[in-house]
Amino acid sequence: QVQLQESGPGLVKPSETLSLTCTVSGGSISSSPYSWGWIRQPPGKGLEWIETIYYSGSTSYNPSLKSRVTISVDTSKNQFSLKLSSVTAADTAVYYCARGRNSNYAWFDPWGQGTLVTVSS
Amino acid sequence: QSVLTQPPSVSGAPGQRVTISCTGSRSNIGAGYDVHWYQQLPGTAPRLLIYGNSNRPSGVPDRFSGSKSGTSASLAITGLQAEDEADYYCQSYDSRLSGSWVFGGGTKLTVL
Repeated sequence: QVQLQESGPGLVKPSETLSLTCTVSGGSISSSPYSWGWIRQPPGKGLEWIETIYYSGSTSYNPSLKSRVTISVDTSKNQFSLKLSSVTAADTAVYYCARGRNSNYAWFDPWGQGTLVTVSS
Repeated sequence: QSVLTQPPSVSGAPGQRVTISCTGSRSNIGAGYDVHWYQQLPGTAPRLLIYGNSNRPSGVPDRFSGSKSGTSASLAITGLQAEDEADYYCQSYDSRLSGSWVFGGGTKLTVL
């Protein structure tokens, strides 16, 4: 059974870069037909897809965040990572990593437990 | 403002049936992209409830069902139980702006 676990700083200063890592256990991150993504949820608000990386290495980004985000994979560690630059208070959220599929018809399952990142000086 | 529109809240008494709607447009649900549903209990991560419009993952009770028609989809919950009180989100894909996965704004289900 595949499980995902987010890790990273819980507090980031404004204008700095938010960096999170998702560790995948119980399965290979290189397995087709899966993709791997990040989704966030500001306190008391809904879900927002951030980005996805496919097993081929290609990526897809939320247009509203595209200029500030990058996603990468470390197959040797079975991990993938999110970097979000120039953060503001609006980026304060619970960040989830999740497994998707190599299809525009994809759903996200399973999800990590989420990690709260607060942007504050 | 979410690309997919859900009612902010619905409620029902134990044992009743409730439905949650998810309204999209021709660039997402209406374009044929599948709709998926998630349940989020307080303080927990979302859990996949329905995938591919109407399919239930193993472990999800058959009290939960999904359907899709045109530019909309619905989640139905029958035999409402206290443990069903949660936030519910629909999700699909939108082909505009290079394409992206989109969520509804979420619906809070209250069991009276």
